Amino acid sequence: AQSVTQPDIHITVSEGASLELRCNYSYGATPYLFWYVQSPGQGLQLLLKYFSGDTLVQGIKGFEAEFKRSQSSFNLRKPSVHWSDAAEYFCAVGGSGNTGKLIFGQGTTLQVKP
Amino acid sequence: DAGVIQSPRHEVTEMGQEVTLRCKPISGHNSLFWYRQTMMRGLELLIYFNNNVPIDDSGMPEDRFSAKMPNASFSTLKIQPSEPRDSAVYFCASNKGLASSTDTQYFGPGTRLTVL
Repeated sequence: AQSVTQPDIHITVSEGASLELRCNYSYGATPYLFWYVQSPGQGLQLLLKYFSGDTLVQGIKGFEAEFKRSQSSFNLRKPSVHWSDAAEYFCAVGGSGNTGKLIFGQGTTLQVKP
Repeated sequence: DAGVIQSPRHEVTEMGQEVTLRCKPISGHNSLFWYRQTMMRGLELLIYFNNNVPIDDSGMPEDRFSAKMPNASFSTLKIQPSEPRDSAVYFCASNKGLASSTDTQYFGPGTRLTVL
């Protein structure tokens, strides 16, 4: 069965520090992978997505993610975190074939210390 | 574009009452998704539509939940009768393709439902 695991429920980093949010997926075919961000009281916004090509994907707001098939991972990174990055981050997996169904991880809440 | 519009933003009701949540997808989008978000279960897909037709409703928790999409610009999610365990944030999302997995889903701001 398809699944997404975000091992870290809550992460705190200092402003200016680097960030890595982990995501592991289970999917039998070619996965399509997404990272979304949710600010308090808001809907989800797409940060980046991967479905083919270069395994290092650039997104909005200075985020990037690297797809590693051997590790079934799609970790999100940012070299220098800003206070405005405090939010909840969701990794999601969809699949080839015309289903449109996304499976979301439980989310990681990011807190940024001044 | 105004984005995905949901109403109401907040709903407080009593157990046993009917609740109707509304969604207007982005104009020109062909697929619409309803999600439920709770602390315990995270973000769950309830149902989705392609060209106004329900494709997969396997996530709908039980018969008390129903969803319709009478036209390309409007969808409803109804709970009748509502129960306290239905308290959650309900999101609507839409995308351009016919449920293509590579398309970006655009989310509305959500409806926070509280059932007393």
